[in-house]
Parts: sequence; C-alpha cells; structure tokens
Amino acid sequence: AQKITQTQPGMFVQEKEAVTLDCTYDTSDPSYGLFWYKQPSSGEMIFLIYQGSYDQQNATEGRYSLNFQKARKSANLVISASQLGDSAMYFCAMRDPSGGSNYKLTFGKGTLLTVNP
Amino acid sequence: NAGVTQTPKFQVLKTGQSMTLQCAQDMNHEYMSWYRQDPGMGLRLIHYSVGAGITDQGEVPNGYNVSRSTTEDFPLRLLSAAPSQTSVYFCASSYFGTGVYNEQFFGPGTRLTVL
Repeated sequence: AQKITQTQPGMFVQEKEAVTLDCTYDTSDPSYGLFWYKQPSSGEMIFLIYQGSYDQQNATEGRYSLNFQKARKSANLVISASQLGDSAMYFCAMRDPSGGSNYKLTFGKGTLLTVNP
Repeated sequence: NAGVTQTPKFQVLKTGQSMTLQCAQDMNHEYMSWYRQDPGMGLRLIHYSVGAGITDQGEVPNGYNVSRSTTEDFPLRLLSAAPSQTSVYFCASSYFGTGVYNEQFFGPGTRLTVL
C-alpha cells in the first residue's frame, strides 16, 4: 500500500482564488511528520510547511495552511489567494519511524497546479 | 552557507559507462540521502546515510553505490549505466533529531540521460 497518496495529478485554479491539494497517508506509528514541498518548473525543491502528528493546531505559513485531519489520515495543503507564481508541482511527504529510521522521507507522486490569470 | 550542492547539473552517458554524481553540504548535517525523480513517480529514495561510514539502501538501490567517508560528502556511483537510470537525481540532507521534524534541504538536482 502506498504510504502517501495524492489523488489529483493536476489542478487548475483562477488567480486570487483558494485551492486545496489533497494528501492522505498511511502509518501505524503515532509519531510522524508531514511535509509539503513545491517544485517550480526550474526544478528545485522548496520546503513549504510541516505538520507534526502531535501538533494540536493546523500549521500555517503565510498563504499556506495545512488542513490536518488525523482520524482521516489526511494532510491537505490549502493555498489562499493563488498567484501565478504558485504554478508548480506540489509534493506531500511523510517522515515516520517505520523501518527503524526516523529520517526517511516518503513522497507522494505530486499534483501539478496551474494558476490561470 | 552554500547549502547542498550537486555536480554536474547535466550529464549524458552511454549505456555501460560509469560515473559519480557528487553531493556536498556545509551545514554539518548527519543525514544525507539520494532520490531519483521520474515523471509520475514522485521522488524515490535510492540510498541514505546517517553519518560518516554508515549507509543503507532505500526503495530503489539497484545499480547504485554510495559511500560516506566524511560528514560533508555523499557521492552516488553508477557502475554501469542503463537507460532505465535516465532521471533527475536529488541529494538532500538534514539534522539528526529525536523527533520526526527534520526538514530535508535539497540540492538543485542532476539531470542524467543514458543513451
């Protein structure tokens, strides 16, 4: 079974609107971390936001927020007031201690977001 | 700080050739890793290291070797390149920690084509 599932291969949003990118995860460990990365067309990986499994509140970073629903094992990324520069591939990733390591990061397959003017 | 650096940025190989992708970080991170990115597959872990002299296999290790003689460097070796190894390769590093929050810092990537 996939540990990280991103069900939306591609998404379109109008400039200045909000958009939600879906991510579900699978782990039996109570301690884990969830990450979102942005990859623009230039190719670099840019860290956006982090949510820890024990965090009581949803993470926020500027226009990015994480809708964390622990019982449903989902960690959706919400981008408010989309900008043309938000057009990129977005990856959800999870770090958990399975396999004896706290450090391995497992990625989803990504969602390609296109922001239309 | 230069962060995580990778060389070369682009490389074209013929089937059967060998080469080494270089990765270095100047943040004194204990943990380093190599990923490959293929269309529609996300990033998949090839090998990782939790410190000098310690390496382990990730999800897709076949055809690749690594070693970690210093904290700073983590080269990835392709012993006999195959077309299936055409991909974009990312090196990443992070601190150790007692928790799972350790942001991985990524290098700019190496685009490898094997003909």
